[in-house]
Amino acid sequence: AQSVTQLGSHVSVSEGALVLLRCNYSSSVPPYLFWYVQYPNQGLQLLLKYTSAATLVKGINGFEAEFKKSETSFHLTKPSAHMSDAAEYFCAVIRGFYNQGGKLIFGQGTELSVKP
Amino acid sequence: DSGVTQTPKHLITATGQRVTLRCSPRSGDLSVYWYQQSLDQGLQFLIQYYNGEERAKGNILERFSAQQFPDLHSELNLSSLELGDSALYFCASSVGDGSGSNEQFFGPGTRLTVL
Repeated sequence: AQSVTQLGSHVSVSEGALVLLRCNYSSSVPPYLFWYVQYPNQGLQLLLKYTSAATLVKGINGFEAEFKKSETSFHLTKPSAHMSDAAEYFCAVIRGFYNQGGKLIFGQGTELSVKP
Repeated sequence: DSGVTQTPKHLITATGQRVTLRCSPRSGDLSVYWYQQSLDQGLQFLIQYYNGEERAKGNILERFSAQQFPDLHSELNLSSLELGDSALYFCASSVGDGSGSNEQFFGPGTRLTVL
């Protein structure tokens, strides 16, 4: 069965510091992986997705993630945190097999705080 | 704005009651997905419809049901409500049937409070 584990339910960084949010997946087949962001009282917005085209994926708002098959990881990074990055971040996996639907399996979420 | 609309934004009801949550997908999207977000369970997939047909099912309770209408909007019906059903319910939509890497676009959610 597929699953996603996000290490750290809460990460706090200073403005301008590196953001690193960790995600490990468990899948018996190559997955499609996603990072979503949820701002307070809002729905989820896609930051980026891995579709096997390239291992380093660039997303919106300066975020990027690297797919490492050997480590079964898909960590999210941003070189310099902004106050506006404070939100909850979710890693998700989908198997994406034809005719099997689009069930997204989410990690537990990581709340990012940015200190001035 | 994702283009996915959900009504109502907030719903407060009592145990044992029945409610209906409504979702309109983005123009052109054929799939609608329902997710539940709660503090103890996190984000859980409930069910997916593709062009009017059920395509995938998650851990959806028997008290819950959904359908997708010919105009592609969807409704999630929750009956015999319990306190534990209090949660944020999201609808998402995508162009395809969910296979592959089609992005799912999420609505703003309906916050259900069961008293």
